[in-house]
Amino acid sequence: EAQVTQNPRYLITVTGKKLTVTCSQNMNHEYMSWYRQDPGLGLRQIYYSMNVEVTDKGDVPEGYKVSRKEKRNFPLILESPSPNQTSLYFCASSLLSGSTGEQYFGPGTRLTVT
Amino acid sequence: AQKITQTQPGMFVQEKEAVTLDCTYDTSDQSYGLFWYKQPSSGEMIFLIYQGSYDEQNATEGRYSLNFQKARKSANLVISASQLGDSAMYFCAMSPSGGYQKVTFGIGTKLQVIP
Repeated sequence: EAQVTQNPRYLITVTGKKLTVTCSQNMNHEYMSWYRQDPGLGLRQIYYSMNVEVTDKGDVPEGYKVSRKEKRNFPLILESPSPNQTSLYFCASSLLSGSTGEQYFGPGTRLTVT
Repeated sequence: AQKITQTQPGMFVQEKEAVTLDCTYDTSDQSYGLFWYKQPSSGEMIFLIYQGSYDEQNATEGRYSLNFQKARKSANLVISASQLGDSAMYFCAMSPSGGYQKVTFGIGTKLQVIP
């Protein structure tokens, strides 16, 4: 089954404790992206990647890191989480060529930082 | 910079009626793509429809159509024959070059379908 998976789905952590949210897709998509969703703000893009070793900042990259060492994986790293990073996080992927740009979203990761 | 504006925080529609969800955008790019996504209360993001800036015809996907007015920079979603399952948040989004690079979402419109 074609899908984007994220782990963990729920996470409660404390300020300053490094964490990684994993994202994996099995569709051989070149493009992958991370978003955060906050009430009243919609989805905001954190980082995106056009291919392996190619990443770029979205609109809200501060406090986040990403890496794209393999085509299928695009982990989101919070080196020192803070309460303002409490949010619902989505990973998404899509083809780059021959597509309408439709993004396939993962199920989301609800992160709480206390 | 690109911007998406959705001015309707909430909408109600009677079952089987049509409804239009508004979306206006702003961009300096000549080539771009416009999207609509649905987010039911269960939380997943579901792609509905895509319109390229150079597409001459409005996009349609089943009961969904995108009313694209380039000169007015609007990309409204029309849902025909509303169903109870259409109750959800709807997000308009855009990206330069039709889906690649930066993607900007609007804040969404919550649609409730009344029996």
